[in-house]
Amino acid sequence: AQSVTQLDSQVPVFEEAPVELRCNYSSSVSVYLFWYVQYPNQGLQLLLKYLSGSTLVKGINGFEAEFNKSQTSFHLRKPSVHISDTAEYFCAVSGTSYNTDKLIFGTGTRLQVFP
Amino acid sequence: KAGVTQTPRYLIKTRGQQVTLSCSPISGHRSVSWYQQTPGQGLQFLFEYFSETQRNKGNFPGRFSGRQFSNSRSEMNVSTLELGDSALYLCASSRDGSNQPQHFGDGTRLSIL
Repeated sequence: AQSVTQLDSQVPVFEEAPVELRCNYSSSVSVYLFWYVQYPNQGLQLLLKYLSGSTLVKGINGFEAEFNKSQTSFHLRKPSVHISDTAEYFCAVSGTSYNTDKLIFGTGTRLQVFP
Repeated sequence: KAGVTQTPRYLIKTRGQQVTLSCSPISGHRSVSWYQQTPGQGLQFLFEYFSETQRNKGNFPGRFSGRQFSNSRSEMNVSTLELGDSALYLCASSRDGSNQPQHFGDGTRLSIL
């Protein structure tokens, strides 16, 4: 079974500053990793995913994340945030079997961008 | 192409009633997964349907059930509603399975009085 920990429940940051949202996972098998964003009164939108290959993954809206197997981490980064990035961000992990595995979500990090 | 559509968006029920929520996946997606989102428990996986068969199930009581039709549309049913069932219920679809990148609907907000 997998589990995921998002270390920060809230991250306040000023506009145009860089930001890192931390995510650590636990698994005894190979994993897929995801970051989703949720805006108020909406569902989740996929930001980026790591399925295999390059450990540096680029996503939408200028976000990127790096898969670090030795640290069991998948931190999300953006070099310069905008007010519109204010939202809830969820890290998720799953095993690699599409027959038996499902997404396990972290508890979320609320990113608040101030002008 | 059209995204995942959930109906209704909002629902108010009383304890003991039952409710059915509907989800239309993206065209061509055969996997439909359901999640419950609450402030206390976060996002929890309910179940996944693939080609009309339940393939994965989370740790929810039998009051929570679902089904999938031949056109991949899915319904979720909750019987004997409890106050703790108040939540945002999210449906997500993908081509192959619940461990793949999911496309989410905007959810059904269920409130139990």
